[in-house]
Parts: sequence; C-alpha cells; structure tokens
Amino acid sequence: DGGITQSPKYLFRKEGQNVTLSCEQNLNHDAMYWYRQDPGQGLRLIYYSQIVNDFQKGDIAEGYSVSREKKESFPLTVTSAQKNPTAFYLCASSQPRQGTYEQYFGPGTRLTVT
Amino acid sequence: AQTVTQSQPEMSVQEAETVTLSCTYDTSESDYYLFWYKQPPSRQMILVIRQEAYKQQNATENRFSVNFQKAAKSFSLKISDSQLGDAAMYFCAYRSWNAGNMLTFGGGTRLMVKP
Repeated sequence: DGGITQSPKYLFRKEGQNVTLSCEQNLNHDAMYWYRQDPGQGLRLIYYSQIVNDFQKGDIAEGYSVSREKKESFPLTVTSAQKNPTAFYLCASSQPRQGTYEQYFGPGTRLTVT
Repeated sequence: AQTVTQSQPEMSVQEAETVTLSCTYDTSESDYYLFWYKQPPSRQMILVIRQEAYKQQNATENRFSVNFQKAAKSFSLKISDSQLGDAAMYFCAYRSWNAGNMLTFGGGTRLMVKP
C-alpha cells in the first residue's frame, strides 16, 4: 500500500543529544514537509522540500536540520540547540503539480527529551 | 502572511445530531484552497474535505459539508448525523495558490460526541 511511514512512534532522548526522526514515502511525491504539534495546538511548519537536494525553512526552523538526498526520504534532526524539543512531529508529502493538492500525513513521532 | 482562526476550542454534539465547526481566515489572495483535517486520538491526520476558492459551490463529502463564504473569509464545517467515530480534533487549513503547497493551520477544535 502507498503511504508515509515515520519511525519510531515514540522516542526518548536525554537533553543535549541530537536525534533524527525518519520519514519515508512511497507515493512518488515531489514535496515533503515536517510539522511540529504541541499539546492542544495546531501544526507549525519546520522545514519543507519541493524537490530532491533542495529544502526551505518553515516558520520554526531554529534548532532543526533536514536533508533530502532521495525522493522517498526526508529525515529531520532535532539538535541540542532546539530549546524545547519535546513535541509530536508529523511528516507529510504532496504532489503540487497534480490535481490533488492536499498533503498526506504520516502517523507521527512523539519525541520526549528529559 | 495568512492566518487561520478557529474560535471554538471545544464543541460537543449528541450522537445523530448536527454540529458546525467555525473557521475564519485572513488573506489578500483571490485564489487559494481550504481544507478540513480530522485528527482522532491515534493522531493520524486525515483529510475530511477540500474547497477551491474559485468554486462557488460548497463541497460535500457524505455527512460532511462546508459553508464557504469567500467575502466573509469564512469556512465552516457541518457534520450531519454525528457518529461516535467523529470525535476528534478538527483543523482548518489554508493553502495559497502559489505558495508551494504549504499549509497554514488553525489552532483546532476538539469535537466530543455524546452517546
């Protein structure tokens, strides 16, 4: 089945450690996105990539980094510079130039930093 | 920059009744898309319905329909014959016509369905 996978579902890290969240899609979508969701709040865009080897900062990119070496993969690294990294992270993809404009979301990763 | 506002943090509805969730947005653009996403307790984001701003006809998807008022910049979601499985967070989202398909989300409305 086509879709987006994020792993792991739950991730625990000590403060000061970098951690990388995985996002893979087999929908053949060009664009991929990372969002952060805090309790009781909406989604905020961290980074997005319209095409392989290119990505742009979203609204809250500080303390995060990404890479897009393959079309299917868009990993997000939460660095020690991110002041409040504990949150729910959602990855999404879309195909902007085709008729369906909506974004498809993965199941998310819950990151807890102590 | 566009903003999306959902003024109802929580709503409740009796099973089989109808409920309307509100969403307003601020934009200077004339062409754009609007979406309603559902996030159940599993936290998976699920697209409920989509509306293109250039279409005057309100979108419908089975029990879900929207009331799109372009001049008022309002995009409400009506859920008819509410079911227990409709209980979730609902997010309104805006997509600019030319903004690389990025979405701006509202803060969400938690819908509770009473049996």
